Amino acid sequence: RKEVEQDPGPFNVPEGATVAFNCTYSNSASQSFFWYRQDCRKEPKLLMSVYSSGNEDGRFTAQLNRASQYISLLIRDSKLSDSATYLCVVSVYGNNRLAFGKGNQVVVIP
Amino acid sequence: EAGVTQFPSHSVIEKGQTVTLRCDPISGHDNLYWYRRVMGKEIKFLLHFVKESKQDESGMPNNRFLAERTGGTYSTLKVQPAELEDSGVYFCASSLRTESTDTQYFGPGTRLTVL
Repeated sequence: RKEVEQDPGPFNVPEGATVAFNCTYSNSASQSFFWYRQDCRKEPKLLMSVYSSGNEDGRFTAQLNRASQYISLLIRDSKLSDSATYLCVVSVYGNNRLAFGKGNQVVVIP
Repeated sequence: EAGVTQFPSHSVIEKGQTVTLRCDPISGHDNLYWYRRVMGKEIKFLLHFVKESKQDESGMPNNRFLAERTGGTYSTLKVQPAELEDSGVYFCASSLRTESTDTQYFGPGTRLTVL
């Protein structure tokens, strides 16, 4: 079973709309959770860390459900510049190794 | 501040040859990581250095891969001999603290093609 599962999409989103997706993780010992953004043929860049109480950064909201072992990301008022692949990433307590999902590909359409 | 740099950006070699990838972490970052993305798959961890010591090499696929970080600054990843399945993008990352919550900053990657 994969450590992190994501539905790759693509998610075609009209500009200005809201899009949400999530991922599931298999290791209940996972302690740290992140969303990374990766543009085509570029390196992953941290979008936001995900905290137990949920957190928001501008138009982006991340939620964590430990009981069900899933993490979600919601993007409001989508911009063309939001087109990218969003990678769900987890790590286990005491271990710096990051486990990646395959990513959710988002395409914002004018 | 300069980010993580990697060299070369692309490498095309024939099966059986040797390739050495280089990573320069962000200055002052003791933690250095190697990851790899094979086509169609997710990014996977290879290993983690703390300064010059290998903290975790559980992701290294086999003994054809050798990573070094002499002096605790830059790191090299050598593949010898290269096989077709080694093709992919090799990312290096670095972080300041040895904590799982610390942000890992990724380099632009080396795209390796083995023919």
